[in-house]
Amino acid sequence: DAGVIQSPRHEVTEMGQEVTLRCKPISGHDYLFWYRQTMMRGLELLIYFNNNVPIDDSGMPEDRFSAKMPNASFSTLKIQPSEPRDSAVYFCASSFRWANAEAFFGQGTRLTVV
Amino acid sequence: AQRVTQPEKLLSVFKGAPVELKCNYSYSGSPELFWYVQYSRQRLQLLLRHISRESIKGFTADLNKGETSFHLKKPFAQEEDSAMYYCALSDGETSGSRLTFGEGTQLTVNP
Repeated sequence: DAGVIQSPRHEVTEMGQEVTLRCKPISGHDYLFWYRQTMMRGLELLIYFNNNVPIDDSGMPEDRFSAKMPNASFSTLKIQPSEPRDSAVYFCASSFRWANAEAFFGQGTRLTVV
Repeated sequence: AQRVTQPEKLLSVFKGAPVELKCNYSYSGSPELFWYVQYSRQRLQLLLRHISRESIKGFTADLNKGETSFHLKKPFAQEEDSAMYYCALSDGETSGSRLTFGEGTQLTVNP
């Protein structure tokens, strides 16, 4: 398995545009997490899924953010419309179901909104 | 609500010196705690978990429930230890295994 795969690796977009980030978790993992990393706030959990079902989206900053997981092998995080303050590195991670399971992270998507 | 706090954003030590990265948590249940590390240009990866009681790359971390702490320690720091370190907590007692991270500590080991 190639691990958690995220695309694109880098995204530069203009304010107001729609941005879609993609994630392919490790096959067989039950959980999928979306995190946002910034210098000021570290790693913030945005939303996570269990068996494709969103469990907790309380970390999603605004209605401009939405996430879907249509099947066990694919998830998207969408920002519409994007704003400069959304600039950050977005990570996707997946894990098995038990509490002490290791979370495996993707390489991240560096988003710059100008 | 669960919370993880890493009071130091930046930590700098010299090679061979002891290093301690602080982590405090708040959680009403019985937590599972982890340390993750992100080396330059690499993805975030697990360093160690408290349930394993293991030493990885010379690092150890002891869960102190009385002080609600899970500090990461290494007696002799090496230059290759320079990285961003995140403490994390998992609340396996709820219906979902939510993984919450602290703000991170950037460790620099100087030659």
